[in-house]
Amino acid sequence: GQNIDQPTEMTATEGAIVQINCTYQTSGFNGLFWYQQHAGEAPTFLSYNVLDGLEEKGRFSSFLSRSKGYSYLLLKELQMKDSASYLCAVRDSNYQLIWGAGTKLIIKP
Amino acid sequence: TAGITQAPTSQILAAGRSMTLRCTQDMRHNAMYWYRQDLGLGLRLIHYSNTAGTTGKGEVPDGYSVSRANTDDFPLTLASAVPSQTSVYFCASSEAGDDTGELFFGEGSRLTVL
Repeated sequence: GQNIDQPTEMTATEGAIVQINCTYQTSGFNGLFWYQQHAGEAPTFLSYNVLDGLEEKGRFSSFLSRSKGYSYLLLKELQMKDSASYLCAVRDSNYQLIWGAGTKLIIKP
Repeated sequence: TAGITQAPTSQILAAGRSMTLRCTQDMRHNAMYWYRQDLGLGLRLIHYSNTAGTTGKGEVPDGYSVSRANTDDFPLTLASAVPSQTSVYFCASSEAGDDTGELFFGEGSRLTVL
């Protein structure tokens, strides 16, 4: 079966750095996505990786290793507004998105 | 800014009743999707449409139907609601031909079936 694993919940301190991991087992691979979802709101796109390596976008970076079936989302200089759930999703060989259950990130002052 | 509009925002429905969740987008995206989101689970695809006039089944299509009469609208119908259909429903769209396939989501419709 297809599976996306990410931690259920993480806690970090304002101003610090946090890394959210995602491992996947899917039928084929056509890209990996990270979305942010604040409580009670819609998911919004953060990043897309299709080749191995690091993609940096401001305070957020996303890394992919296809051989290891592994990605992480790195958030730097954490702000209170970064408190949200972070969803990892992989597009499989049929170009369908397989979603992880999300990681709830709690930022403490 | 509009983007994707869903209605209603929330609804309580008696089991056995029918319900249509509406979804309209103004971005002229070809592809549209309906997902449900349940606590502890990832988003699950119910139905999708790659272009007006075509629809397809996702991971959890049973009990749901969709239509795509035009580019902008993609309603989701529950013919006879059951309590297990209590969930938050998200409509989404994406630009065909976009390499990333970024999804744009509506604000969600919270449905409670009693």
